[in-house]
Amino acid sequence: KAGVTQTPRYLIKTRGQQVTLSCSPISGHRSVSWYQQTPGQGLQFLFEYFSETQRNKGNFPGRFSGRQFSNSRSEMNVSTLELGDSALYLCASSPQGGTGELFFGEGSRLTVL
Amino acid sequence: AQSVSQHNHHVILSEAASLELGCNYSYGGTVNLFWYVQYPGQHLQLLLKYFSGDPLVKGIKGFEAEFIKSKFSFNLRKPSVQWSDTAEYFCAVTPPIGNAGNMLTFGGGTRLMVKP
Repeated sequence: KAGVTQTPRYLIKTRGQQVTLSCSPISGHRSVSWYQQTPGQGLQFLFEYFSETQRNKGNFPGRFSGRQFSNSRSEMNVSTLELGDSALYLCASSPQGGTGELFFGEGSRLTVL
Repeated sequence: AQSVSQHNHHVILSEAASLELGCNYSYGGTVNLFWYVQYPGQHLQLLLKYFSGDPLVKGIKGFEAEFIKSKFSFNLRKPSVQWSDTAEYFCAVTPPIGNAGNMLTFGGGTRLMVKP
């Protein structure tokens, strides 16, 4: 069974630009969560989507948004990029909601210059 | 708000040494508890979990963890580490409240280096 796939793996943007990251969950998994990992703040929950609906949202500004498609694939978008948005963005899927047993992808590393 | 503390940021051990990594959490109610591991160059993966029942839980690769409710702790242990256990270990908690169960709060992580 293929794992969680995230694209792109690496990207460089400049301040003020926007970025879209993509995540394909494990086949059959309906929940997709996004986490931001930085050296200073560690792993922080961004949001979770289940059956195309945002079910939970972390404490991030409105510049961070996401969506989920009918095939469970998910995208997250960050608008008006700031230097502090440089991070590893991790996507995780789970077969159903609410157990905390997550299957993580390898992440998309975003560098903002 | 809940929080998770991992007091050991870096641990260096020799092979065959015993391991104990501390994890304390603050949360006013029932929680689900997890240890995730990230091996060098690999993705984060679940090591073990505690939902309820026996407070001593066993995970993959010989790891175990003990939930001590009175101490708000969920320490990870392994009797004898191997070089292949070199990795970063993350403790995480989540309230088992309906649809919020995938909102994990992670500790800062502990980097373990095992010397051959």
